[in-house]
Amino acid sequence: EPEVTQTPSHQVTQMGQEVILRCVPISNHLYFYWYRQILGQKVEFLVSFYNNEISEKSEIFDDQFSVERPDGSNFTLKIRSTKLEDSAMYFCASSRDWGNTIYFGEGSWLTVV
Amino acid sequence: AQSVTQLDSQVPVFEEAPVELRCNYSSSVSVYLFWYVQYPNQGLQLLLKYLSGSTLVKGINGFEAEFNKSQTSFHLRKPSVHISDTAEYFCAVSEGRGAQKLVFGQGTRLTINP
Repeated sequence: EPEVTQTPSHQVTQMGQEVILRCVPISNHLYFYWYRQILGQKVEFLVSFYNNEISEKSEIFDDQFSVERPDGSNFTLKIRSTKLEDSAMYFCASSRDWGNTIYFGEGSWLTVV
Repeated sequence: AQSVTQLDSQVPVFEEAPVELRCNYSSSVSVYLFWYVQYPNQGLQLLLKYLSGSTLVKGINGFEAEFNKSQTSFHLRKPSVHISDTAEYFCAVSEGRGAQKLVFGQGTRLTINP
């Protein structure tokens, strides 16, 4: 069964450093998403991406965050200058179309020290 | 604004016992409702969803949920649980057609004891 894959599974980074989290969505999907879950808190929507542009973003997704689809298969989340509070599990997801089931990856656990 | 409340952070049950995981939501418009499960060291997997039609929705692994509009609830049930059902369960809601932006509850950790 096709699945969303994410790398790395776990990354430790120093505060102020740039981090790129990578995702390979399911191949025939058109909508891509990032969610995050801070330890002990709810899973939160960050951003959705369609047709090579952001279609919606939350207030969490400020200027330090960016997303990109650099080629036909990868979808990346960049955090420009990490803060301690960016420590969280980041989930990538994709869906075939608007209104279809959203499929999630296994998550990338980011620890900022 | 939408919100989702899962009333129990942890639910321990014995194997083969029934279980109900509670979920309540608030929204000013029509909503679409989902339950996701996260097994240890895995991603979020869709268990079931309610978009329209019958209020009783059946999902994978023997789970079902009932949409109750008057009580704004979408409780998840299984008549007989197995050890393999040990996982974190998340209720989520989206407004309008489809599920582009999901609002999640805080999750319920279901632990099955032999």
